[in-house]
Amino acid sequence: DIVMTQTPSSQAVSAGEKVTMSCKSSQSLLYSENKKNYLAWYQQKPGQSPKLLISWASTRESGVPDRFIGSGSGTDFTLTISSVQAEDLAVYYCEQYYDTPLTFGSGTKLEIK
Amino acid sequence: EVQLVESGGGLVQPGRSLKLSCAASGFTFSDYAMAWVRQAPKKGLEWVATIIYDGSSTYYRDSVKGRFTISRDNAKSTLYLQMDSLRSEDTATYYCARRAIYFDYWGQGVMVTVSS
Repeated sequence: DIVMTQTPSSQAVSAGEKVTMSCKSSQSLLYSENKKNYLAWYQQKPGQSPKLLISWASTRESGVPDRFIGSGSGTDFTLTISSVQAEDLAVYYCEQYYDTPLTFGSGTKLEIK
Repeated sequence: EVQLVESGGGLVQPGRSLKLSCAASGFTFSDYAMAWVRQAPKKGLEWVATIIYDGSSTYYRDSVKGRFTISRDNAKSTLYLQMDSLRSEDTATYYCARRAIYFDYWGQGVMVTVSS
């Protein structure tokens, strides 16, 4: 199974600050034939179901604010929020869809100071 | 607007069965693979099972193989999860999710509690 490791487990920032969170996979998620990374990011706000933010490591979904930026390739990935807003309070999960079983990271909880 | 609405959850004793349903609307259900993802209380997300668009192939995590069965009725735009021989560790919120390779839409979830 591909193990997804997210760090930090929690992070507290003030509104307006930049935040980065990491997701590392135990094997490469880069598919050589199409040069795509099979990595997604999800946001789960308190009491809500997860919401897809980013697919293919860096493709923002329609309607997702451009302060959310996905980057990375291979085994190392990053989600950056360029200027955190109060409504970004949530747990952020990465997921690999390169292989079955599909696996998620344990999440990074973002708290607003 | 894509909508996924789960139902069928509840409290069940260990060893018993439960069947979840997910009613889909707002898209052509038969064009998409579908999946179940669960989340134990205060825990992270865990993929459970996937079924491809026409139901001809299914995939399961090891811990539910032989106990859970994912199925679909494309005429009714409904996804199912038959859960047999339930264990306490199956206690979780179960989400129905559309798979466009990744999970692009999620339902609101349904709680399943396995306890005596």
